[in-house]
Amino acid sequence: DIVMTQSPDSLAVSLGERATINCKSSQSVLYSSNNKNYLAWFQHKPGQPPKVLIYWASTRESGVPDRFSGSGSGTDFTLTISSLQAEDVAVYYCQQYYDTPRTFGGGTKVEIK
Amino acid sequence: QVQLQQSGPGLVKPSQTLSLTCAISGDSVSSNSAAWNWIRQSPSRGLEWLGRTYYRSKWYYDYAVSLKSRITVNPDTSKNHFSLQLNSVTPEDTAVYYCARDPDWAPFDIWGQGTMVTVSS
Repeated sequence: DIVMTQSPDSLAVSLGERATINCKSSQSVLYSSNNKNYLAWFQHKPGQPPKVLIYWASTRESGVPDRFSGSGSGTDFTLTISSLQAEDVAVYYCQQYYDTPRTFGGGTKVEIK
Repeated sequence: QVQLQQSGPGLVKPSQTLSLTCAISGDSVSSNSAAWNWIRQSPSRGLEWLGRTYYRSKWYYDYAVSLKSRITVNPDTSKNHFSLQLNSVTPEDTAVYYCARDPDWAPFDIWGQGTMVTVSS
């Protein structure tokens, strides 16, 4: 199985400041034939199902604010929230869809400082 | 617009079987370009993929290795839904259970509303 490791476990950021979450996969999720990274980021708020924010490591889902961005390739990835808003308080997960079983990182809880 | 609607009990006794159903609207459980999954979330384990079924000229099933002896995911084409059965549950199986669609080579894009299942006597 591909193991996804996220850091940090939790993060407290002031409103308007930047939040950065890291995700590392135990093997590359870059498919060489199409040069795509099979890596997504989800936002999970209490009482709601997870919501996909980013796919192909850096493509923003329709309707997702542009303060959310994804970067990285191969085994190392980053989700950045450029200017944290109150509604961004949630747990964030990375997930690989390169192989079965689909696997998630352990989650990063983002709070307001 | 694709939607998934979950149903099933929120309380299961230890050693019994957890059974949930996910009804699909706007797509087909027999789709040749999607798989139908069960995922759970708990404070101790975060998001955990459990298993899936999909149709590519025949039915396929994948399960998490840790659950392989206890889990069954079944499609029902007549009702356009799929189900989860988890046998011999313990309090460790207490979690919010979600069904979700994953299109071929894409992340989970459509989720059910979630069902909180508590395993307790």
